[in-house]
Amino acid sequence: ETGVTQSPTHLIKTRGQQVTLRCSSQSGHNTVSWYQQALGQGPQFIFQYYREEENGRGNFPPRFSGLQFPNYSSELNVNALELDDSALYLCASNVAADDAREQFFGPGTRLTVL
Amino acid sequence: GIQVEQSPPDLILQEGANSTLRCNFSDSVNNLQWFHQNPWGQLINLFYIPSGTKQNGRLSATTVATERYSLLYISSSQTTDSGVYFCAVENYGQNFVFGPGTRLSVLP
Repeated sequence: ETGVTQSPTHLIKTRGQQVTLRCSSQSGHNTVSWYQQALGQGPQFIFQYYREEENGRGNFPPRFSGLQFPNYSSELNVNALELDDSALYLCASNVAADDAREQFFGPGTRLTVL
Repeated sequence: GIQVEQSPPDLILQEGANSTLRCNFSDSVNNLQWFHQNPWGQLINLFYIPSGTKQNGRLSATTVATERYSLLYISSSQTTDSGVYFCAVENYGQNFVFGPGTRLSVLP
């Protein structure tokens, strides 16, 4: 069974640029969620995708957008990068079943915006 | 939305000591997980425990859903237990919400 993977591991961008982060779900999982973790804080929910549709969104502006593909992999896109977007971005996958909602996290992508 | 609190915020132990970490939440949940975040940022699943008690080696956890709290017990702590421990909950289809974490330092 393959776990959740993310790419790239690290990324450095400048203000105003755009970035795409990628996530491959754990085998058999149909739901993927993205989180932003600023230094010293807990992860904050950005949005969730289920069967290629956005299925919930946290308090993040529209310049944060995503996609989920038929193989359940996912992308997080951030436009017009700001300094405060510097953070660890975590992807998680799970099976959307009432009795099995455990989320499994990838290793994260550390984004630095200069 | 649901609120999650964790205590204590920081904990320093001598190797071999036992500890209890607490997670309080403000509403009913259908998912509660405990994670250990290692220095590289990886969130390691410790327990999926929306209710009841589970044990895994030196770690155990109890969730009392009716009283809206969960406890994580670490026995005979080791230096490798150091890191940040997060509790996270899901409130029936709403967002998965993390607590602020407990930073544990185990000294040799």
